[in-house]
Amino acid sequence: NAGVTQTPKFQVLKTGQSMTLQCAQDMNHNSMYWYRQDPGMGLRLIYYSASEGTTDKGEVPNGYNVSRLNKREFSLRLESAAPSQTSVYFCASSEGSGNTEAFFGQGTRLTVV
Amino acid sequence: GEDVEQSLFLSVREGDSSVINCTYTDSSSTYLYWYKQEPGAGLQLLTYIFSNMDMKQDQRLTVLLNKKDKHLSLRIADTQTGDSAIYFCAEKDSNYQLIWGAGTKLIIKP
Repeated sequence: NAGVTQTPKFQVLKTGQSMTLQCAQDMNHNSMYWYRQDPGMGLRLIYYSASEGTTDKGEVPNGYNVSRLNKREFSLRLESAAPSQTSVYFCASSEGSGNTEAFFGQGTRLTVV
Repeated sequence: GEDVEQSLFLSVREGDSSVINCTYTDSSSTYLYWYKQEPGAGLQLLTYIFSNMDMKQDQRLTVLLNKKDKHLSLRIADTQTGDSAIYFCAEKDSNYQLIWGAGTKLIIKP
């Protein structure tokens, strides 16, 4: 089973470039999330989508946009990358908002130079 | 705001028990979770406990919750090299948002 698939796995961008991180899940989950993971810090929520057609800001949304294309796919876009956005990005999905397990993708390691 | 805190590192000898501790500030948390992250991988759910429980045991894993002190611990019995990973504590708040700790890197010494 594929679970949550993120692409790309690695990316290097120059400051000011744009890119889109792709995420897809095949578990028919309602909720999807984008997190960033930085050394010594917990996962920080960038944006989430509680259900198809809705998106909401998380803790650190500045500099990012998202799109819930359909129930399966949730993309994260950096319009003008900055070195402060160097991080490991994780997409996750869950069935709903109650006590449901979150399933994570393998992560995207992004470096902005 | 809500906060979850963990030590960044724990070093134990193979075969000993590991105890990873976590404190949180949200008194209205509903569920508390332990996730495991192996190198180069995403996070995987290890176990969880509902906030009205004190203890949960699952094979080598024991979760203890002290709700009064807002303290959660994960005990791994007979620690093996395959247990080397980063362990994240997370609590689900009353808005069903997950609040994450920074993760504790478990280092196993032979």
